[in-house]
Amino acid sequence: DGGITQSPKYLFRKEGQNVTLSCEQNLNHDAMYWYRQDPGQGLRLIYYSQIVNDFQKGDIAEGYSVSREKKESFPLTVTSAQKNPTAFYLCASSIGFSPFTNEQFFGPGTRLTVL
Amino acid sequence: QKEVEQNSGPLSVPEGAIASLNCTYSDQGSQSFFWYRQYSGKSPELIMFIYSNGDKEDGRFTAQLNKASQYVSLLIRDSQPSDSATYLCAVKEGQGGSEKLVFGKGTKLTVNP
Repeated sequence: DGGITQSPKYLFRKEGQNVTLSCEQNLNHDAMYWYRQDPGQGLRLIYYSQIVNDFQKGDIAEGYSVSREKKESFPLTVTSAQKNPTAFYLCASSIGFSPFTNEQFFGPGTRLTVL
Repeated sequence: QKEVEQNSGPLSVPEGAIASLNCTYSDQGSQSFFWYRQYSGKSPELIMFIYSNGDKEDGRFTAQLNKASQYVSLLIRDSQPSDSATYLCAVKEGQGGSEKLVFGKGTKLTVNP
């Protein structure tokens, strides 16, 4: 059953802690993305990766880090430097470079709450 | 940062009516446009994409693109209560190894029985 999985579904973090959100896909997609969504807001891009061992900062990368050691995995670490990390985190993947399409497909999301 | 603008709504239509959702974008060079549906508390799901001027139909959904006016819309015919959701417009930005989507903030649609 192909798709994108994210874990955990809910995550609670104490201030000052680093936490890592998991994202795995078995769609054989080259590109993967991390977004953050706040209530009533659209999606803001944190980091993206077009190929293994390479990634680029999005619009709001400060306080976050990623790795892309395997094609199917793109974990996101929320560090203690992120001042307001409570949000809904969404991972997406796409086939990669395409002249016209390159539509992204989303995982179910992780809801992070800082206590 | 390229901008994608949507009316935040809420847009309320009666069951069976046509719902019209609109999106404008700032980058004249944009080539591809996507509509996603997001139910409350869930992740976005792709409805349609369009990259040629004109209309593209898929079931009850029609996407319309006018590149000269930098305008893309989504029409939902015979609206159902199950269509009640937030609809996100996205525009592809970048080329080659730096392609990404820029999302609008979404329009909340309510279909009343």
